[in-house]
Amino acid sequence: NAGVTQTPKFRVLKTGQSMTLLCAQDMNHEYMYWYRQDPGMGLRLIHYSVGEGTTAKGEVPDGYNVSRLKKQNFLLGLESAAPSQTSVYFCASSRDPYRGYTFGSGTRLTVV
Amino acid sequence: KQEVTQIPAALSVPEGENLVLNCSFTDSAIYNLQWFRQDPGKGLTSLLLIQSSQREQTSGRLNASLDKSSGRSTLYIAASQPGDSATYLCALSGGGADGLTFGKGTHLIIQP
Repeated sequence: NAGVTQTPKFRVLKTGQSMTLLCAQDMNHEYMYWYRQDPGMGLRLIHYSVGEGTTAKGEVPDGYNVSRLKKQNFLLGLESAAPSQTSVYFCASSRDPYRGYTFGSGTRLTVV
Repeated sequence: KQEVTQIPAALSVPEGENLVLNCSFTDSAIYNLQWFRQDPGKGLTSLLLIQSSQREQTSGRLNASLDKSSGRSTLYIAASQPGDSATYLCALSGGGADGLTFGKGTHLIIQP
């Protein structure tokens, strides 16, 4: 049982480039989330999904897009990367909010 | 808006001591509270989940308590070991689908 898997683990982008981060879960969870973690700021919610085909904005959504075409996958896209998007990105999933959340191991993204 | 504060921000103690990490929150209408551990450069590992109807949870040397009326949770670590060195994060769910609100963490160092 792999849990929550994030791909890639590390990436360096140049300003203006685009990329997609993939989150996959094998627990049949309905809820999926993307967070970013920055020093001194803690973890902040970017976007989330309450089921296949749904997405919603979190606290810091600007500059990011998401898609949930399949229940097990949640994609985070950066259309034109900026240095301010240098961060560690975490994906999480949950069966329902009362049961707690499972996190992936993170993607460390550097934008130069 | 829910705010979560963790005190202290950093703590260094000798091996074998019992210690308490604190988490306070501003809105008592929470669904559950989850304590995580994060090792340097790694993801979040769930330690304990306390649902709103519960007062405490225990796992091995860890005990977490929840007092919604005072807006406080504590994580008690008994007989600390160097392997307990990590950052400990407190996170709350408000019951909606919009994920967890995190504190900024307590960086714990256990000296051998």
